[in-house]
Parts: sequence; C-alpha cells; structure tokens
Amino acid sequence: QSALTQPASVSGSPGQSITISCTGTSSDVGGYHYVSWYQQHPGKAPKLMIYDVSNWPSGVSNRFSGSKSGNTASLTISGLQAEDEADYYCSSYTSSNTVIFGGGTKLTVL
Amino acid sequence: QVQLQESGPGLVKPSETLSLTCTVSGGSVSSTTYYWSWIRQPPGKGLEWIGYVYYSGSTNYNPSLKSRVTISVDTSKNQFSLKLSSVTAADTAVYYCARGMRKVDYWGQGTLVTVSS
Repeated sequence: QSALTQPASVSGSPGQSITISCTGTSSDVGGYHYVSWYQQHPGKAPKLMIYDVSNWPSGVSNRFSGSKSGNTASLTISGLQAEDEADYYCSSYTSSNTVIFGGGTKLTVL
Repeated sequence: QVQLQESGPGLVKPSETLSLTCTVSGGSVSSTTYYWSWIRQPPGKGLEWIGYVYYSGSTNYNPSLKSRVTISVDTSKNQFSLKLSSVTAADTAVYYCARGMRKVDYWGQGTLVTVSS
C-alpha cells in the first residue's frame, strides 16, 4: 500500500487559515469515513486532532476542522497561531482492514 | 488517564529480531472497544503503521512488513508486544505503541531502536 499524498509543506501568517490535503484512493480515503489527522511537534509523539473525517477529540480546538470530497480529505486550521507550527499527518482505514498514513506536511507559521 | 510505555533494547544487530513490549496503565488491553497498535517513524521521516492486535489475539499487519512481524497481547500483564525479524538498517526508527487503529487517541512516548552491528 502506498502512502497517502500530502503536500510536503504549507505556510501561513498568524490569524490566517490554511488547508492541508490528503489524497488516497477509493480503497481508503474515498471508501470510508475513517480519516484521522495528527499533529506532531519535534521530538514528541503525535496527537490526534481530528477523527472520522470531521470529529474533534475532547480538548482539541475547533480552529481545526476536517472534511472529505471523493478520494481527498482536508484539514483546515483557522486563526493560525505560532503553536500550530508542526508536522501534520493524515491516516485512513483501508479495504484490507489496515491503516495507511500520509507522508506528512510541515506547517510553518510565518 | 491512559498511559502507554514502550520498553526493549535500543540497539539490535542486523539480521536479528527486534522485540518491544508496551505496558498499558489506566486502561485495559482486555477491552473489547479498542485495538492496540504499533507505529514507527524513521529519523526525519513520516509515520508508518506496523499493525494491530485485539484483546482476543487477532491481528493484522502492514502488507509490506507482514512476513517479518508478529504482534501479540498478554492480558494477564496488561501488555502487548512487537517482534520484527531479520532487521536491517532500514528498520531503524522510533517505535510507538498506541491505543486504537482507525483513530489513535493515546500514544506512548516512543522508543528509538537502532539497527547496527
């Protein structure tokens, strides 16, 4: 299984909104409502930010939102803050009852 | 609060078997609600899902690693384990144990395993 496709990097200024895409196939992203997004700061374990395409775990800011259209899922961060600078990974459940991650996107807050 | 802690050797020789254990506290590996996963991250690279185990012992693995991976659960010790055989330098990574599969809501801190002679 090949990794889901994410842009290598995105950037934005404080207060702006950015969107990170995550493209898969009909066997993963497009076929199920099971896309998650993770935030990872350097040297730290990933943190769940969005699950089941658009749901927030307890304690996660609603500045983070998720959506999906066809084989592409998206994470939008609004009101960008300095602490949002991190790596972001998407993941999806697959038709093989496995999980696949995206290659990761480095978010830079200018 | 659920906590997970990886343990095992930080250095493994090429061709040998990497063995790690994850000890769970604040939760139970016997829960019928959750899967328990292993995920790894080579230095400077992205996340790679290795596989999961359910309380019953049922498992599923990343197809690219399937021939070398075994994940098992020990409900009496509230632990689950990873074995990866015939390792090479490409298996050098931070290995995370975690709760969940479709959504991973709790992660261990990760442990760096280096494959080198």
